[in-house]
Amino acid sequence: DAKTTQPNSMESNEEEPVHLPCNHSTISGTDYIHWYRQLPSQGPEYVIHGLTSNVNNRMASLAIAEDRKSSTLILHRATLRDAAVYYCILRDPRTFSGGYNKLIFGAGTRLAVHP
Amino acid sequence: SAVISQKPSRDICQRGTSLTIQCQVDSQVTMMFWYRQQPGQSLTLIATANQGSEATYESGFVIDKFPISRPNLTFSTLTVSNMSPEDSSIYLCSVERWENTGELFFGEGSRLTVL
Repeated sequence: DAKTTQPNSMESNEEEPVHLPCNHSTISGTDYIHWYRQLPSQGPEYVIHGLTSNVNNRMASLAIAEDRKSSTLILHRATLRDAAVYYCILRDPRTFSGGYNKLIFGAGTRLAVHP
Repeated sequence: SAVISQKPSRDICQRGTSLTIQCQVDSQVTMMFWYRQQPGQSLTLIATANQGSEATYESGFVIDKFPISRPNLTFSTLTVSNMSPEDSSIYLCSVERWENTGELFFGEGSRLTVL
């Protein structure tokens, strides 16, 4: 599995935009970039994913570099509820080795949001 | 989204005993995944469970220690056998509701404390 690198922690103020970076220099052409987050005392939840083009949904935006070696998760207006650990994960949907479609979590970025 | 129920939500266990965690999903899914999250750590995939076949275990996890059942498309169990304090963790069940999307849904987790 290709690896991702994220900062251990970041801080933001409420109602300000947050840009969470992720480096994945060994990404393959078929790897999708997935983002999950884990709120305190909860299981992880899906945030967004993309392949090449930038993606938007109700939770966030995903900006993917042209060479795909890095990406940025953008929270347009951080709220206190966005305080969580954010995980950037690469996944190749073609993989089939018994662990089909498995997601491997890294250490993630712990986001603190201040009032 | 998929609704995933895990039981127990938490338990305190004695060293040397075994505990079975149940995972019930509100719809039929092909793959179910079991993760472990040790205190302050990220998630580690234990195994992938496909209905009607043996579970596929990740490196470092063995069937004798973590036997898994998958009797139908909506249910799975994970047993933590012969527990030691090092097994104190949150155990999470997850499913991919729509195949090949990489969007996993997670249960709330089962927090085990082994004394």
